Amino acid sequence: DGGITQSPKYLFRKEGQNVTLSCEQNLNHDAMYWYRQDPGQGLRLIYYSQIVNDFQKGDIAEGYSVSREKKESFPLTVTSAQKNPTAFYLCASSPGQMNTGELFFGEGSRLTVL
Amino acid sequence: GDSVTQMEGPVTLSEEAFLTINCTYTATGYPSLFWYVQYPGEGLQLLLKATKADDKGSNKGFEATYRKETTSFHLEKGSVQVSDSAVYFCALIGGATNKLIFGTGTLLAVQP
Repeated sequence: DGGITQSPKYLFRKEGQNVTLSCEQNLNHDAMYWYRQDPGQGLRLIYYSQIVNDFQKGDIAEGYSVSREKKESFPLTVTSAQKNPTAFYLCASSPGQMNTGELFFGEGSRLTVL
Repeated sequence: GDSVTQMEGPVTLSEEAFLTINCTYTATGYPSLFWYVQYPGEGLQLLLKATKADDKGSNKGFEATYRKETTSFHLEKGSVQVSDSAVYFCALIGGATNKLIFGTGTLLAVQP
């Protein structure tokens, strides 16, 4: 059945290492999003992509990078430049290129920097 | 800029109690409003939405009415169950930007 798959579910990283979080969707959705969730702060938008081979910075893009080479895939790399990377990361998608606010979310990846 | 303010949690209720989670917003124009729910260890799911003033969104016994005069979108349920325990997020889109703006979330804990 259709949905969004994020992996890994849990990830531990040493300081100074880059790490890539996977997000795959089989919903045939045009747009994909990455959010970061921290306790008491809600969700903050990192990057989004409305179409293949194009993506835009969100509100907190510094220290992160993305690619959108295929419609179904939108991986997020947390680089060593991200000062406080420990967080819960959520990937989402929406059917059209325009965001109507109706997003479909994956189950998230929890990154812990040791 | 656009913003959403939710009541702080946790909200702790007994089963079958009445639930209200307050949400107010600031936005230019006429945003669409949403409630999302996050069950423990999972991603978010859309619970209900309203796209214009006086619209009522409803789903799974939850309701919220888009009140433009008070810029509010409070979530209500007449009788909560233990299975409703989750974090609830109010959100808006369509004010100054086309980005979905989330509130900070309200944790609901329902005790048997």
